[in-house]
Amino acid sequence: AQSVTQLGSHVSVSEGALVLLRCNYSSSVPPYLFWYVQYPNQGLQLLLKYTSAATLVKGINGFEAEFKKSETSFHLTKPSAHMSDAAEYFCAVSDKGGSEKLVFGKGTKLTVNP
Amino acid sequence: DAGVTQSPTHLIKTRGQQVTLRCSPISGHKSVSWYQQVLGQGPQFIFQYYEKEERGRGNFPDRFSARQFPNYSSELNVNALLLGDSALYLCASSPDRVSPLHFGNGTRLTVT
Repeated sequence: AQSVTQLGSHVSVSEGALVLLRCNYSSSVPPYLFWYVQYPNQGLQLLLKYTSAATLVKGINGFEAEFKKSETSFHLTKPSAHMSDAAEYFCAVSDKGGSEKLVFGKGTKLTVNP
Repeated sequence: DAGVTQSPTHLIKTRGQQVTLRCSPISGHKSVSWYQQVLGQGPQFIFQYYEKEERGRGNFPDRFSARQFPNYSSELNVNALLLGDSALYLCASSPDRVSPLHFGNGTRLTVT
Protein backbone atom coordinates (compact mmCIF):
# COMPACT_ATOMS: atom_id res chain seq x y z
CA ALA A 1 0.00 0.00 0.00
CA GLN A 2 1.15 3.49 -0.72
CA SER A 3 1.43 6.24 1.83
CA VAL A 4 2.68 9.78 2.23
CA THR A 5 4.08 11.45 5.33
CA GLN A 6 4.35 15.19 5.50
CA LEU A 7 6.64 16.30 8.30
CA GLY A 8 5.31 19.37 10.06
CA SER A 9 1.63 20.22 9.98
CA HIS A 10 2.51 23.90 10.27
CA VAL A 11 5.50 25.77 8.83
CA SER A 12 6.10 29.48 9.36
CA VAL A 13 8.61 31.54 7.37
CA SER A 14 9.38 35.20 6.87
CA GLU A 15 8.70 36.89 3.56
CA GLY A 16 11.76 36.40 1.34
CA ALA A 17 12.99 33.35 3.25
CA LEU A 18 13.45 29.85 1.88
CA VAL A 19 10.39 27.61 1.90
CA LEU A 20 10.99 23.90 2.57
CA LEU A 21 8.05 21.53 2.93
CA ARG A 22 8.91 17.91 3.57
CA CYS A 23 7.31 14.83 2.04
CA ASN A 24 8.31 11.19 2.36
CA TYR A 25 6.51 8.46 0.48
CA SER A 26 6.12 4.72 0.55
CA SER A 27 5.42 2.80 -2.64
CA SER A 28 6.08 -0.74 -3.81
CA VAL A 29 6.37 0.39 -7.44
CA PRO A 30 8.00 3.44 -9.05
CA PRO A 31 5.78 6.24 -7.87
CA TYR A 32 4.14 9.21 -9.47
CA LEU A 33 4.45 12.11 -7.03
CA PHE A 34 2.57 15.39 -6.84
CA TRP A 35 2.38 18.59 -4.86
CA TYR A 36 -0.94 20.41 -4.67
CA VAL A 37 -1.79 23.74 -3.02
CA GLN A 38 -5.12 24.60 -1.43
CA TYR A 39 -6.15 28.17 -0.67
CA PRO A 40 -8.96 28.78 1.86
CA ASN A 41 -12.38 27.70 0.64
CA GLN A 42 -10.99 26.44 -2.64
CA GLY A 43 -10.13 23.15 -4.28
CA LEU A 44 -6.63 21.86 -4.92
CA GLN A 45 -4.33 23.27 -7.58
CA LEU A 46 -1.47 21.26 -9.05
CA LEU A 47 1.95 22.78 -8.35
CA LEU A 48 4.12 20.12 -9.93
CA LYS A 49 4.41 16.42 -10.68
CA TYR A 50 7.16 13.82 -10.88
CA THR A 51 6.75 11.10 -13.49
CA SER A 52 10.32 9.73 -13.68
CA ALA A 53 11.50 12.01 -16.50
CA ALA A 54 13.77 14.15 -14.30
CA THR A 55 14.53 14.11 -10.60
CA LEU A 56 14.33 17.90 -10.22
CA VAL A 57 10.88 19.09 -11.11
CA LYS A 58 9.96 22.72 -11.62
CA GLY A 59 6.42 23.85 -11.04
CA ILE A 60 4.32 26.95 -11.02
CA ASN A 61 4.86 30.05 -8.87
CA GLY A 62 8.59 29.38 -8.47
CA PHE A 63 8.24 26.08 -6.63
CA GLU A 64 10.35 23.03 -7.33
CA ALA A 65 10.79 19.58 -5.84
CA GLU A 66 13.52 16.96 -5.98
CA PHE A 67 12.84 13.24 -6.14
CA LYS A 68 15.33 11.28 -4.04
CA LYS A 69 14.74 7.55 -4.34
CA SER A 70 17.36 6.62 -1.75
CA GLU A 71 15.61 8.82 0.81
CA THR A 72 12.07 8.14 -0.48
CA SER A 73 11.57 11.89 -0.36
CA PHE A 74 9.99 14.55 -2.54
CA HIS A 75 10.50 17.81 -0.67
CA LEU A 76 9.03 21.07 -2.00
CA THR A 77 11.13 24.23 -2.03
CA LYS A 78 10.91 27.85 -3.06
CA PRO A 79 13.91 30.19 -2.72
CA SER A 80 11.99 33.26 -1.59
CA ALA A 81 8.56 33.18 0.06
CA HIS A 82 5.83 35.64 -0.90
CA MET A 83 2.83 36.55 1.21
CA SER A 84 0.66 35.01 -1.49
CA ASP A 85 2.26 31.60 -0.84
CA ALA A 86 0.36 31.28 2.44
CA ALA A 87 -1.85 28.21 1.94
CA GLU A 88 -2.03 24.51 2.70
CA TYR A 89 0.20 22.20 0.71
CA PHE A 90 -0.45 18.53 0.04
CA CYS A 91 1.94 15.88 -1.21
CA ALA A 92 0.36 12.93 -3.03
CA VAL A 93 1.47 9.62 -4.53
CA SER A 94 0.00 7.35 -7.19
CA ASP A 95 1.25 4.10 -8.62
CA LYS A 96 -0.74 4.37 -11.84
CA GLY A 97 -0.35 7.85 -13.20
CA GLY A 98 -1.70 11.31 -12.85
CA SER A 99 -5.34 10.79 -12.10
CA GLU A 100 -5.76 7.36 -10.61
CA LYS A 101 -6.35 6.96 -6.91
CA LEU A 102 -4.07 9.59 -5.42
CA VAL A 103 -3.02 9.02 -1.83
CA PHE A 104 -2.56 12.35 -0.07
CA GLY A 105 -0.59 13.36 2.98
CA LYS A 106 -2.26 15.25 5.82
CA GLY A 107 -1.01 18.57 4.56
CA THR A 108 1.29 21.35 5.74
CA LYS A 109 -0.08 24.78 6.43
CA LEU A 110 2.38 27.46 5.36
CA THR A 111 2.29 30.85 7.07
CA VAL A 112 4.33 33.72 5.62
CA ASN A 113 5.14 36.54 8.03
CA PRO A 114 5.84 40.08 6.80
CA ASP B 1 -12.62 27.86 -20.10
CA ALA B 2 -14.79 26.91 -17.17
CA GLY B 3 -13.16 24.77 -14.54
CA VAL B 4 -14.67 21.88 -12.64
CA THR B 5 -17.99 23.02 -11.19
CA GLN B 6 -19.68 21.46 -8.18
CA SER B 7 -23.10 21.99 -6.71
CA PRO B 8 -24.27 22.84 -4.21
CA THR B 9 -21.40 24.68 -2.52
CA HIS B 10 -22.78 24.11 0.95
CA LEU B 11 -25.28 21.63 2.32
CA ILE B 12 -26.68 20.82 5.75
CA LYS B 13 -28.33 17.47 6.33
CA THR B 14 -29.60 15.47 9.29
CA ARG B 15 -28.31 12.07 10.33
CA GLY B 16 -29.99 9.28 8.39
CA GLN B 17 -30.83 11.43 5.39
CA GLN B 18 -29.53 10.97 1.87
CA VAL B 19 -27.57 13.47 -0.19
CA THR B 20 -26.63 13.89 -3.85
CA LEU B 21 -23.66 15.98 -4.90
CA ARG B 22 -23.11 17.01 -8.50
CA CYS B 23 -20.05 17.67 -10.59
CA SER B 24 -19.47 18.99 -14.10
CA PRO B 25 -15.98 18.29 -15.45
CA ILE B 26 -13.92 20.54 -17.64
CA SER B 27 -15.09 20.32 -21.23
CA GLY B 28 -13.38 17.40 -22.95
CA HIS B 29 -12.44 15.64 -19.73
CA LYS B 30 -13.68 12.07 -19.60
CA SER B 31 -12.44 11.06 -16.15
CA VAL B 32 -14.10 12.20 -12.94
CA SER B 33 -12.88 11.39 -9.43
CA TRP B 34 -14.39 12.07 -6.02
CA TYR B 35 -12.45 12.75 -2.84
CA GLN B 36 -13.53 13.34 0.76
CA GLN B 37 -11.57 15.88 2.80
CA VAL B 38 -12.29 15.86 6.49
CA LEU B 39 -11.28 19.01 8.35
CA GLY B 40 -7.56 18.99 9.06
CA GLN B 41 -6.82 16.01 6.82
CA GLY B 42 -5.75 15.40 3.26
CA PRO B 43 -8.28 14.34 0.63
CA GLN B 44 -9.19 10.66 0.60
CA PHE B 45 -10.08 8.86 -2.63
CA ILE B 46 -13.68 7.68 -2.98
CA PHE B 47 -14.31 6.86 -6.66
CA GLN B 48 -12.96 7.29 -10.14
CA TYR B 49 -15.10 7.06 -13.27
CA TYR B 50 -13.79 6.99 -16.81
CA GLU B 51 -15.98 6.76 -19.88
CA LYS B 52 -18.96 6.16 -17.63
CA GLU B 53 -17.48 3.10 -15.96
CA GLU B 54 -16.18 2.80 -12.40
CA ARG B 55 -12.41 2.46 -12.58
CA GLY B 56 -11.53 2.61 -8.93
CA ARG B 57 -13.09 2.68 -5.49
CA GLY B 58 -11.57 3.71 -2.21
CA ASN B 59 -12.15 2.29 1.24
CA PHE B 60 -15.66 3.66 1.78
CA PRO B 61 -18.82 1.82 2.81
CA ASP B 62 -21.55 0.87 0.38
CA ARG B 63 -23.54 3.88 1.56
CA PHE B 64 -21.40 5.80 -0.92
CA SER B 65 -22.22 5.41 -4.60
CA ALA B 66 -21.62 7.39 -7.75
CA ARG B 67 -22.30 7.43 -11.43
CA GLN B 68 -21.14 9.21 -14.54
CA PHE B 69 -23.50 10.35 -17.24
CA PRO B 70 -23.07 10.36 -21.05
CA ASN B 71 -22.01 14.01 -20.91
CA TYR B 72 -19.31 12.98 -18.38
CA SER B 73 -20.90 14.85 -15.48
CA SER B 74 -21.12 12.88 -12.27
CA GLU B 75 -23.14 12.47 -9.10
CA LEU B 76 -22.02 11.23 -5.72
CA ASN B 77 -24.73 9.80 -3.48
CA VAL B 78 -24.41 9.14 0.21
CA ASN B 79 -27.18 7.28 2.05
CA ALA B 80 -27.93 7.02 5.75
CA LEU B 81 -25.73 9.98 6.62
CA LEU B 82 -23.56 9.84 9.72
CA LEU B 83 -22.01 12.71 11.63
CA GLY B 84 -18.63 11.49 10.39
CA ASP B 85 -19.66 12.14 6.80
CA SER B 86 -19.32 15.86 7.44
CA ALA B 87 -16.53 16.95 5.13
CA LEU B 88 -15.56 18.83 1.99
CA TYR B 89 -16.32 16.65 -1.01
CA LEU B 90 -14.06 17.37 -3.93
CA CYS B 91 -14.64 16.46 -7.53
CA ALA B 92 -11.75 16.37 -9.96
CA SER B 93 -11.55 15.75 -13.67
CA SER B 94 -8.87 14.89 -16.17
CA PRO B 95 -8.88 14.26 -19.92
CA ASP B 96 -7.79 10.66 -19.45
CA ARG B 97 -6.67 8.24 -16.76
CA VAL B 98 -3.06 9.44 -16.60
CA SER B 99 -3.15 13.23 -16.82
CA PRO B 100 -3.15 15.18 -13.55
CA LEU B 101 -6.38 16.05 -11.81
CA HIS B 102 -8.12 19.43 -11.94
CA PHE B 103 -10.15 19.98 -8.78
CA GLY B 104 -13.36 21.87 -8.21
CA ASN B 105 -13.91 24.03 -5.14
CA GLY B 106 -15.89 21.33 -3.42
CA THR B 107 -19.19 20.88 -1.65
CA ARG B 108 -19.12 21.45 2.09
CA LEU B 109 -21.46 18.88 3.70
CA THR B 110 -22.46 19.29 7.33
CA VAL B 111 -24.39 16.48 9.00
CA THR B 112 -26.18 17.39 12.22
